[in-house]
Amino acid sequence: AQSVAQPEDQVNVAEGNPLTVKCTYSVSGNPYLFWYVQYPNRGLQFLLKYITGDNLVKGSYGFEAEFNKSQTSFHLKKPSALVSDSALYFCAVNPGTALIFGKGTTLSVSS
Amino acid sequence: DAGVIQSPRHEVTEMGQEVTLRCKPISGHDYLFWYRQTMMRGLELLIYFNNNVPIDDSGMPEDRFSAKMPNASFSTLKIQPSEPRDSAVYFCASQGWSNYGYTFGSGTRLTVV
Repeated sequence: AQSVAQPEDQVNVAEGNPLTVKCTYSVSGNPYLFWYVQYPNRGLQFLLKYITGDNLVKGSYGFEAEFNKSQTSFHLKKPSALVSDSALYFCAVNPGTALIFGKGTTLSVSS
Repeated sequence: DAGVIQSPRHEVTEMGQEVTLRCKPISGHDYLFWYRQTMMRGLELLIYFNNNVPIDDSGMPEDRFSAKMPNASFSTLKIQPSEPRDSAVYFCASQGWSNYGYTFGSGTRLTVV
C-alpha cells in the first residue's frame, strides 16, 4: 500500500537553531513528494515539491527538503528556525491519483 | 485570484440534520478534492473530481455522504443524516492539470451535536 509516515508527532527547536521534520514514504514508481504547512484555523499551504531532478528542493519561507531515494525519505529542513515557523507540517505523496498525506508533525519553535 | 472558497466556515447542526458544504475552486483548475481532517485520522481523501466527473469516491465513509460537481466552478459535499462522529474540518482543494500541487480552501469546521 502506498503511504507516507511522519515518525514524530512534535518537534521542538529553539529559535535560530536548524530544524528537521522527517518524512518517509512507500510508493511504487517515481514519487512526487510535497510539503505543506497549516497554521491554526487555516487551510494547508504549499511549501515545496519534488518531481524530478536535483535532490535538494528549495521552497517558501526558507524551507528546503532533501529527497533520498535509497532511504525513501523526504525530510524538511531549515537552517535557522523562527518562532513564526511554529505550525503543523504535512508531508504528502502523489502516487498518480490524489495526494496521500502523512499524519502531520507539530513544529514548536521557542524564543 | 481569490483562491479556493469554502462556505460556511463554521457549521453547528443537530444530529440527524442535513448538512451541505460548498466549494468554489480556482478558475481553470481541472481537479477538485474533498478531504476531512480529524485529530484521530489526520487528513483523509473523501472524493475527487476531474473535469466535473467523480473519479474516486472510495474514501466516502458511508452512503450518508454524497458529493456533486454540477459545473467547473462549484461543488457540494452533503451529509444526510449527520452524526456526531462526522464532526471534523472539511477541506476542499483544487489543482490545475500542469501543477502537481493543490490549493486548499480555508475549510469548514463542522460540529454535529
